[in-house]
Amino acid sequence: EAGVTQSPTHLIKTRGQQATLRCSPISGHTSVYWYQQALGLGLQFLLWYDEGEERNRGNFPPRFSGRQFPNYSSELNVNALELEDSALYLCASSPQSYNEQFFGPGTRLTVL
Amino acid sequence: AQSVTQLGSHVSVSEGALVLLRCNYSSSVPPYLFWYVQYPNQGLQLLLKYTSAATLVKGINGFEAEFKKSETSFHLTKPSAHMSDAAEYFCAVSPYTGGFKTIFGAGTRLFVKA
Repeated sequence: EAGVTQSPTHLIKTRGQQATLRCSPISGHTSVYWYQQALGLGLQFLLWYDEGEERNRGNFPPRFSGRQFPNYSSELNVNALELEDSALYLCASSPQSYNEQFFGPGTRLTVL
Repeated sequence: AQSVTQLGSHVSVSEGALVLLRCNYSSSVPPYLFWYVQYPNQGLQLLLKYTSAATLVKGINGFEAEFKKSETSFHLTKPSAHMSDAAEYFCAVSPYTGGFKTIFGAGTRLFVKA
């Protein structure tokens, strides 16, 4: 069974640009979660999508947004990039809303 | 409200020595507790989880953790460290078996010396 996949693996942008990160959940999983893992800060919850709807978001500004597609894949958009957005962005999926999460390998975003 | 504290951002042990990674939690409801491992350039992998059944939980790769309600702790142990155990370990707490309310600790990086 294929796990959670994320693309791209690495992304380099300059300040002020926009970044788009993509995530494909495990087949049959309807919930997708996005986390930011900045150096030394652990995982910070960003967004939760379930059945195509945004269900909850963490304490991040509106320039962090995303969506979930009918096939349950998801993308995370970060507008007006700032240097402090540099981090590993992890996507996780679960079969239902409050079940165990399975994580992808992450996208390393570097903002110069 | 829930929170989790991992004591020690870095732990170094010799190969073959006991591994002990400390985690204390705070929860206003009966918690579900998790330990995840993250190898370099990889996502998080679930090591083990406590779901209110047995207080001593056995996980993959020889790791285990004991839920101690009186101490609000869920420390991770392994009797004998292996070089391949070098990674970052995250403790997490949730009011459910998973989901967006899962709160992760800051992580403990384990170094294993030959």
